[in-house]
Amino acid sequence: DAGVTQSPTHLIKTRGQQVTLRCSPKSGHDTVSWYQQALGQGPQFIFQYYEEEERQRGNFPDRFSGHQFPNYSSELNVNALLLGDSALYLCASSLWGSETQYFGPGTRLLVL
Amino acid sequence: GNSVTQMEGPVTLSEEAFLTINCTYTATGYPSLFWYVQYPGEGLQLLLKATKADDKGSNKGFEATYRKETTSFHLEKGSVQVSDSAVYFCALFGGRGGYNKLIFGAGTRLAVHP
Repeated sequence: DAGVTQSPTHLIKTRGQQVTLRCSPKSGHDTVSWYQQALGQGPQFIFQYYEEEERQRGNFPDRFSGHQFPNYSSELNVNALLLGDSALYLCASSLWGSETQYFGPGTRLLVL
Repeated sequence: GNSVTQMEGPVTLSEEAFLTINCTYTATGYPSLFWYVQYPGEGLQLLLKATKADDKGSNKGFEATYRKETTSFHLEKGSVQVSDSAVYFCALFGGRGGYNKLIFGAGTRLAVHP
């Protein structure tokens, strides 16, 4: 039984570019949440998807957008990248309404 | 709004020493509380949780008790090992207005040396 998987593992982009990160939830889970973890800090909630809709959103600008597919996998898109977007992006999966979230290994994004 | 405060690290201990990492929270309502661990270069792993006041979560020798009167959820282990070296995050979920998201503390780095 595969856990949460994310791709790619590492990514280097330049300012102004766009990036797409991908996540496959744990088998049986229907909800995907995305978090941003800057170096030396705790993860910050970006948004959550369930039934292919964004259900709640943290304090992130509209440059951050996402999508959930019918198979429950999800994408995180970031447009017009800034240096400050450099971080580890974590995907977490769960059952809708459950408090227990399981995290993937993350995608490390470096913006130059 | 809801928030979590952890003791600053790094915490440096010798193997077999006793560990305490302090965590306090601010929340209305009745959140659930978690400890997650992050090993170098990896994502977060759930270590333990407690869902109501006076509950004790435990796993792999680690324990934490949900203390509503002091709004605390301190992590303890009686005898640490070198393999416990990692960053530990305290988090809360829910509470009034918290919805379905985790709110994390800044993390506490633990270094255990032989």
